[in-house]
Amino acid sequence: DAGITQSPRHKVTETGTPVTLRCHQTENHRYMYWYRQDPGHGLRLIHYSYGVKDTDKGEVSDGYSVSRSKTEDFLLTLESATSSQTSVYFCAINRDGNQPQHFGDGTRLSIL
Amino acid sequence: AQTVTQSQPEMSVQEAETVTLSCTYDTSENNYYLFWYKQPPSRQMILVIRQEAYKQQNATENRFSVNFQKAAKSFSLKISDSQLGDTAMYFCAFMAQGAQKLVFGQGTRLTINP
Repeated sequence: DAGITQSPRHKVTETGTPVTLRCHQTENHRYMYWYRQDPGHGLRLIHYSYGVKDTDKGEVSDGYSVSRSKTEDFLLTLESATSSQTSVYFCAINRDGNQPQHFGDGTRLSIL
Repeated sequence: AQTVTQSQPEMSVQEAETVTLSCTYDTSENNYYLFWYKQPPSRQMILVIRQEAYKQQNATENRFSVNFQKAAKSFSLKISDSQLGDTAMYFCAFMAQGAQKLVFGQGTRLTINP
């Protein structure tokens, strides 16, 4: 197993509250990614990072921000959660941008 | 922008049968990678197989093989001698060389019946 840990695994929160999801890797890989998975859409890229403090937007970045202050941690923040952000969130990593991505076990986030 | 289409939302076969999952994609890129990922009920995303577009030979991994048709932009997954543990969602994914970003299809839910 690639050394990827997502926390928390499950979270229920209320609309309007801030939420931060954490992805931690022990592989020292350069690239880290956040996806969301929704029925009928597969996985869609939210943001990704290509190094410490280097991030870029993905397909569905509105309402999300990220930070990467050290190689091993990539944080996804919902500043003011909305019900449309109820989803399963996956973190992924790879050493080289052209290599297969390896995924964490996902975080199920429910916003009521 | 690249798109990936999996036209079979659900499939069901008997154990030990062979099953083929379809995937088509749209791109103007010449160099890219294609992947199949498996997501069992445990929710893990597991890489099944990878194909580089510049390779004409179809990738194989044990019981899993692909039929890569570059001109037709088609990338199907064949599972031979299917097993109960193959029951899962299967996602086709595309990545242009140097793009770092995976584009996923909608997924096919495969059920293997005893």
